[in-house]
Amino acid sequence: DTGVSQNPRHKITKRGQNVTFRCDPISEHNRLYWYRQTLGQGPEFLTYFQNEAQLEKSRLLSDRFSAERPKGSFSTLEIQRTEQGDSAMYLCASSRDLYGYTFGSGTRLTVV
Amino acid sequence: ELKVEQNPLFLSMQEGKNYTIYCNYSTTSDRLYWYRQDPGKSLESLFVLLSNGAVKQEGRLMASLDTKARLSTLHITAAVHDLSATYFCAVDPRGGTSYGKLTFGQGTILTVHP
Repeated sequence: DTGVSQNPRHKITKRGQNVTFRCDPISEHNRLYWYRQTLGQGPEFLTYFQNEAQLEKSRLLSDRFSAERPKGSFSTLEIQRTEQGDSAMYLCASSRDLYGYTFGSGTRLTVV
Repeated sequence: ELKVEQNPLFLSMQEGKNYTIYCNYSTTSDRLYWYRQDPGKSLESLFVLLSNGAVKQEGRLMASLDTKARLSTLHITAAVHDLSATYFCAVDPRGGTSYGKLTFGQGTILTVHP
């Protein structure tokens, strides 16, 4: 069990560029979640996959954001036309059941 | 909309003292989580509370859940410097497709000093 892995750890991008983050969940976990955490705040839910199906999306997930989980394995979160307000820590979590969530180390995005 | 409120938001403690962090939430739930976060790091799971009256203890930390009062507490006993971190509670709302979507409190920044 290597835990939830996220790449890259840090990403600095210019406003207007597209960025993509990757999350590799714990192998036997069929549920995968994306959260966003801004400085001084708790994480906020973005979206949830059960296997390859995206079952729920937050209102925070504007049409510039898209997430996929092909074949129910790893997941990607893409942000198009980044804005300074997108600067945050993006956290991925996975779970096998409805009780235990394991969070990854996160990807810190800075939009300049 | 589920709201989760923690207090205090900032807590400065002396080593050896006791204190309690409170987590109130606005809708019915029987699933509550406590996490610890060190600066620049991810979330470390501390406790999972799954029923009314649940109490769990690990070292100097003890968490409890009162679902009727919609209140959870995290009690710190004889604080030590290593406990300095930000502590979050998170609630998993009951029912339907909301299962598995955590709503977090604002976090309590704990500093333990000599």
